[in-house]
Amino acid sequence: QQQVKQSPQSLIVQKGGISIINCAYENTAFDYFPWYQQFPGKGPALLIAIRPDVSEKKEGRFTISFNKSAKQFSLHIMDSQPGDSATYFCAASMNTGFQKLVFGTGTRLLVSP
Amino acid sequence: EAQVTQNPRYLITVTGKKLTVTCSQNMNHEYMSWYRQDPGLGLRQIYYSMNVEVTDKGDVPEGYKVSRKEKRNFPLILESPSPNQTSLYFCASSFGTGEGNEKLFFGSGTQLSVL
Repeated sequence: QQQVKQSPQSLIVQKGGISIINCAYENTAFDYFPWYQQFPGKGPALLIAIRPDVSEKKEGRFTISFNKSAKQFSLHIMDSQPGDSATYFCAASMNTGFQKLVFGTGTRLLVSP
Repeated sequence: EAQVTQNPRYLITVTGKKLTVTCSQNMNHEYMSWYRQDPGLGLRQIYYSMNVEVTDKGDVPEGYKVSRKEKRNFPLILESPSPNQTSLYFCASSFGTGEGNEKLFFGSGTQLSVL
């Protein structure tokens, strides 16, 4: 079964620090790697996504780093804020099979004031 | 407002009593899908639909049924619920194929407890 392995399961970061969440995949046919953010009581929402033709994508304080050879990608949250406290899911799919989006197990981030 | 609407938000039922969770989207999306979220397991796909009358199994389809008779609606049916189907369920939709169209819009979830 295609898998995306996510770590850590939970993370506590001080306000202003850098939060880093890592994901690894096995299927080299994956070519779309989104990150979803979920607040308590809400559905996940797309945060940022990357394709393997670039090694990094930045949107505000959120950056995806992508290492194709290692089959790994990570989410970096710079200057973490208490409002970033949420569960984060990485995911992967093939462009020809976008409907089969595979999610990681999630990381619960707590940013302490 | 563009949204995916699920009902009910909370549901407690007993083993074997058929139930339906409704999902509706107002964005004219081609693609719709159901996920279940369990602690430590993340989001797992149950069923998806590429268009009206086109549905297919995801990773955990056992014990579930779906239908797509209209583009906007994609109900999830549990014919004979069992306790292992106690979970948080999410419906999601997107425009579908093509770069930039993969973004999933999720509903607010349905917390189901099967006693």
